[in-house]
Amino acid sequence: DAGITQSPRHKVTETGTPVTLRCHQTENHRYMYWYRQDPGHGLRLIHYSYGVKDTDKGEVSDGYSVSRSKTEDFLLTLESATSSQTSVYFCAISESIEQYFGPGTRLTVT
Amino acid sequence: AQSVTQLDSQVPVFEEAPVELRCNYSSSVSVYLFWYVQYPNQGLQLLLKYLSGSTLVKGINGFEAEFNKSQTSFHLRKPSVHISDTAEYFCAVSEFRTGNQFYFGTGTSLTVIP
Repeated sequence: DAGITQSPRHKVTETGTPVTLRCHQTENHRYMYWYRQDPGHGLRLIHYSYGVKDTDKGEVSDGYSVSRSKTEDFLLTLESATSSQTSVYFCAISESIEQYFGPGTRLTVT
Repeated sequence: AQSVTQLDSQVPVFEEAPVELRCNYSSSVSVYLFWYVQYPNQGLQLLLKYLSGSTLVKGINGFEAEFNKSQTSFHLRKPSVHISDTAEYFCAVSEFRTGNQFYFGTGTSLTVIP
């Protein structure tokens, strides 16, 4: 398995609070991604990074920001969490074509 | 942007029977194609991929898929399923020109019945 960890694995938070999810890789892969998974929608891309400090928006980026200050870490921040952001969040990494996924973070916004 | 369609949201099949999970994509440009499997409460695991060459690709756990360019399809098949194949299966497409951006289908839940 690709060396990808996500933290926390589970989180419950209240509406309006900021939340940061962390993705850490030990593979030294260039590309990193954040997806959310919701029933009936599959996986949708939130943001991605193609290098340190190089990021871009995906399909569902509103309400989210990201940062990548080191090759191994990619942070996803929900600036002010809303109930619509209750989801399972997956990080993925890639060096060429295939993407490899982390175990996921289940986030519940109450 | 690509559109990936997995027509069957749920597929029940008896153990040791064959199964086909369907995937169609929208783009006529050159693409890379993937199938991922997700077991309950886990991340996605790469099952197989088509990058170039032979249109019939084999993956892990006895699965195979066939790329059909004229029909823009990449259907997943297994000749004899096991209980352990019960999982969610996702088709994904990446276009040559956009590099690493993936587009996922909505998934097919395969349930193998004893």
